[in-house]
Amino acid sequence: DAGVTQSPTHLIKTRGQQVTLRCSPKSGHDTVSWYQQALGQGPQFIFQYYEEEERQRGNFPDRFSGHQFPNYSSELNVNALLLGDSALYLCASSLGFSNQPQHFGDGTRLSIL
Amino acid sequence: AQKITQTQPGMFVQEKEAVTLDCTYDTSDQSYGLFWYKQPSSGEMIFLIYQGSYDEQNATEGRYSLNFQKARKSTNLVISASQLGDSAMYFCAMSHDRGSTLGRLYFGRGTQLTVWP
Repeated sequence: DAGVTQSPTHLIKTRGQQVTLRCSPKSGHDTVSWYQQALGQGPQFIFQYYEEEERQRGNFPDRFSGHQFPNYSSELNVNALLLGDSALYLCASSLGFSNQPQHFGDGTRLSIL
Repeated sequence: AQKITQTQPGMFVQEKEAVTLDCTYDTSDQSYGLFWYKQPSSGEMIFLIYQGSYDEQNATEGRYSLNFQKARKSTNLVISASQLGDSAMYFCAMSHDRGSTLGRLYFGRGTQLTVWP
C-alpha cells in the first residue's frame, strides 16, 4: 500500500526562477493539500485540491499555483522565486473533501540562492 | 483566525517514562477535529492520533492518548513508556468539520521531544 510520494526530494533554485513540485496521494485517497514549512515553524496551508479543482486557499500569493490530475496526483508551481520561498514543501492526502486525517509525504526541501 | 498554541519548545524524558505535551487551541466553532503529528529529523509528518470535538471519550492509539478538555480548549498528548525512537518534533493541529475551511489543518509551532536512556 503506497503512501504519499513526493518528488524531487531536494531542489536548489535561484531567485526569479520557477519550480514544479509533484505529489502522488496515498492509494485510495482523492484529496490533496499542500503545506509550506519554514525552518523552525509549523506547516502553513497553501491550498487543497479535490475533484481537480482548488477548493480552498491559504494566505499565499498568486505566484503559488497548483493542479490536480484525473489520477488524483498533484503539482505545486511557484513562479518568480524569492529567498523567502526556501522551505520544506509537504503534500498531504486524504479521502474525500472531509475532515479525515491527512497523510503526509516526506516533503520536498526547496532552497533558493 | 484559528490559533494553536504549544507552549513547550522542548521537553526531555527518560526512556520508559511517560511524558505530556501541551496544546491549546482557539476557535469559535463547535465542530472540529484535533490531530497530533510526529516529525522526525528526516522531515516526514507522521499522523499519530485524532480527537473529534464531539467525542466524549479521550482518544487512545497504542502508547498515545489524549487528555481532551473541551471547556478549556486543550488537547494534551500523553506518550507512555517513552522509547528512544520517540525523539522528534511533535505538532498539534486543528481543522474544521464544515464550512469554507473544511479539512484545512492549522498547526502549532511544535514541541521538540528528546528521550534519553
